[in-house]
Amino acid sequence: EAQVTQNPRYLITVTGKKLTVTCSQNMNHEYMSWYRQDPGLGLRQIYYSMNVEATDKGDVPEGYKVSRKEKRNFPLILESPSPNQTSLYFCATFYLGTKSKSGYTFGSGTRLTVV
Amino acid sequence: SQKIEQNSEALNIQEGKTATLTCNYTNYSPAYLQWYRQDPGRGPVFLLLIRENEKEKRKERLKVTFDTTLKQSLFHITASQPADSATYLCALDHNNAGNMLTFGGGTRLMVKP
Repeated sequence: EAQVTQNPRYLITVTGKKLTVTCSQNMNHEYMSWYRQDPGLGLRQIYYSMNVEATDKGDVPEGYKVSRKEKRNFPLILESPSPNQTSLYFCATFYLGTKSKSGYTFGSGTRLTVV
Repeated sequence: SQKIEQNSEALNIQEGKTATLTCNYTNYSPAYLQWYRQDPGRGPVFLLLIRENEKEKRKERLKVTFDTTLKQSLFHITASQPADSATYLCALDHNNAGNMLTFGGGTRLMVKP
């Protein structure tokens, strides 16, 4: 089954303690992206990757890092989390085809709370 | 500045009726427009993609129109069911490759039996 797997599903951490949210896909898609979703602000892109070793900033990259050492994995790193990074995070892959299977495939989400 | 507007108020309709959701945008010239469904606490699920040269696209009970002159897309669900209750998001690309998306805030649809 085609899927995007994020871990953990829920995470509570303290300010300043480095954390990594993992993302893995089994669809061999080149494009991957991280979004955060906040009430009233909708989905906002944090970082994206066009392919291995090719990453770039989205709309809200401050406080985040990513890496793309292999095609299937795209971890999101918070070096020093702060309470304003409390949010619901989604990893996604993208495929554009000529048939119906196009668009983003999102993971199930990671709900992060920073206290 | 670029803006995508979806009605932030919930849309309440009766089962069996057609639901129509609106997505308006300004200062975009998107090559693609996409619609997603999102259930509470879950990731958005891709529904339909329509290209700028397509006026209309259908998939089962779903229909999307794309008017680049009006800068508007309409999303229709015919014969709506309570299981269609969710938040529906429209998204526009801003690099003409379909993958650099900006999402609207979504419209919550409630279908009552």
